[in-house]
Amino acid sequence: DARVTQTPRHKVTEMGQEVTMRCQPILGHNTVFWYRQTMMQGLELLAYFRNRAPLDDSGMPKDRFSAEMPDATLATLKIQPSEPRDSAVYFCASGLAHKERTTYNEQFFGPGTRLTVL
Amino acid sequence: KQEVTQIPAALSVPEGENLVLNCSFTDSAIYNLQWFRQDPGKGLTSLLLIQSSQREQTSGRLNASLDKSSGRSTLYIAASQPGDSATYLCAVRRRANSKLTFGKGITLSVRP
Repeated sequence: DARVTQTPRHKVTEMGQEVTMRCQPILGHNTVFWYRQTMMQGLELLAYFRNRAPLDDSGMPKDRFSAEMPDATLATLKIQPSEPRDSAVYFCASGLAHKERTTYNEQFFGPGTRLTVL
Repeated sequence: KQEVTQIPAALSVPEGENLVLNCSFTDSAIYNLQWFRQDPGKGLTSLLLIQSSQREQTSGRLNASLDKSSGRSTLYIAASQPGDSATYLCAVRRRANSKLTFGKGITLSVRP
């Protein structure tokens, strides 16, 4: 049963602390997306990777957020230092981008990490 | 900049009704459009994906249509059931393999 997994599912931390969220994409997928969801803004794309290379991180506050893919099976999103306004649900999604078979563009979402920064 | 709008933000209907959820987007130059369902506290599940060359897609009681030139898509749910209660989001992709731009979703409640 292939699915995207995310850890932790819930995180409560104090302002100023470092937060690391992890995502394991579906095996064989070559694109990974990080989204943030809040009531006010809805779903916002923070960053995405193809074949482990960052393609677009324009939605990410660069001074405190960083996203990496150390290998094809792990993507990380780090916030340092965290602030109360970072409280949100962070979703990871993966998909398969294929030069010829461009119809295979569906994104499959993980269950999310609910972050609360006090 | 592409903007995706879903109105109303919430909808409550009695069980058994056929209903239509609307999605509009400002830039008609899209590659495809995807409808998702999100249950409370959960991630998103893809329901239907329509390529820009297609007019509609169907899956069970769901039918999604796309009118690219007018910047609109609708998700039709036939014979609604309480289990259909969830938030429905639409998202558009500008070109192949690019990112999705999401609407804020419509929270649907189907009353038994």
